[in-house]
This record gives sequence, C-alpha cells and structure tokens, in this order.
Amino acid sequence: AQSVAQPEDQVNVAEGNPLTVKCTYSVSGNPYLFWYVQYPNRGLQFLLKYITGDNLVKGSYGFEAEFNKSQTSFHLKKPSALVSDSALYFCAVSQRHNFNKFYFGSGTKLNVKP
Amino acid sequence: DARVTQTPRDKVTEMGQEVTMRCQPILGHNTVFWYRQTMMQGLELLAYFRNRAPLDDSGMPKDRFSAEMPDATLATLKIQPSEPRDSAVYFCASGWSLQGSYTGELFFGEGSRLTVL
Repeated sequence: AQSVAQPEDQVNVAEGNPLTVKCTYSVSGNPYLFWYVQYPNRGLQFLLKYITGDNLVKGSYGFEAEFNKSQTSFHLKKPSALVSDSALYFCAVSQRHNFNKFYFGSGTKLNVKP
Repeated sequence: DARVTQTPRDKVTEMGQEVTMRCQPILGHNTVFWYRQTMMQGLELLAYFRNRAPLDDSGMPKDRFSAEMPDATLATLKIQPSEPRDSAVYFCASGWSLQGSYTGELFFGEGSRLTVL
C-alpha cells in the first residue's frame, strides 16, 4: 500500500534555530515528492517539490528539503526558523505513472517560539 | 492573481439536507481535486477530474456524495442527504498535467467549512 508518514504530530523550535520536519514514504517506483504548508483557516500552499536531479531542493520562504532514496525520506528543513513559520506542514507523494494521485501525510504542526 | 475559488466558505445545515459546494479552478488548469479535511482523518482524497472526466472517485461515499464538472470553469461536490459525520472542511484544488509534461503543484482553494447538525 502506498503511504506517507510524518512521524511527529508537532515540532517545537525556538526562533532563530534550525528546524526539521520529517517525512518518509512508501510508494512504488520513483515518486514525485512535495511539501505544502497550511496556515489557520486557509488552503494548502505549495512550498517545494522534488522531481529529479539534485537531492537538495530549495523552495519558498527559505525552506529546503533533502531527498534520500535509500531511506525513502524527504525531510523539510530551514536554517533559521521564524515565528511566522508556525503552521501545519504536509508532505505529499505522487507516483510517476499516476501523478495525479497525491498521497498526503497526516501533517506536522510547527510551533516557533519567540 | 490566479486562485481557486470555493463557495460557500461556511455552511451550517441540518441532517438530511442537500449540500452543494462549488469550485472554480484556475483558468487553464485541467485537473481538479476534491479533498476533505478532518482532525481525525486528515486530508482524504474524494475525487479528481482531468479534462473534466472523473478519473477516480474511490474515496467518495457513493451513496450520498456526487462530484461533477459541468464545464471547465466549475466543479461541484454534492452531498444528499447530509449527515453529521460529513462535517469537515472540503477543499478543491486544481493543477495542470499533460502526458509527458508535469508541473506537480496543486493550487488549493480556501475551503468550504461544512457543519451538519
């Protein structure tokens, strides 16, 4: 079965510190990988994606993510967190041969404290 | 600024009533998704359309839910009759895909918050 796991319901980090939000996946083939962010009472917004090429992907708002094929992971990172980064983050995966079907993780709530 | 538009933003109704949610995808996008978000289940894919054709609605309760795209600018999700367990936020998202070409990003609407009493 295809799945995406975000093992942490919540991540707490102090402003200015680096942050990591974890994602692992179980999808056949070489999937496409995404991160989305959701602010309260809003829809999801695209942050970044990995399709092919360099394993380190840079996205919006200073976020980046590292694709690790051997560990089937796609962790979201930021060198220095901001209070405004506090939101709900979703990892998503789609299959290359059926890329219209997205599998979303359960979401991780990021709390950045001043 | 192109965006996906959903109506209504909030809907409170009584059990047994019909509910219709509407979505206007971004002009030029050919793929539309309907998701349901709840605290317990997270994001669930209900249905998706490509070039207005339904490709997958396996996540949708068939007895009461229906999804259509009467034209390229309108997608609808209907619940009849509604039940309290349908209370959730329903999101529409659109994107672009073409055989051999892919952008990957989905653009989400602001959601329709449904409360069934």
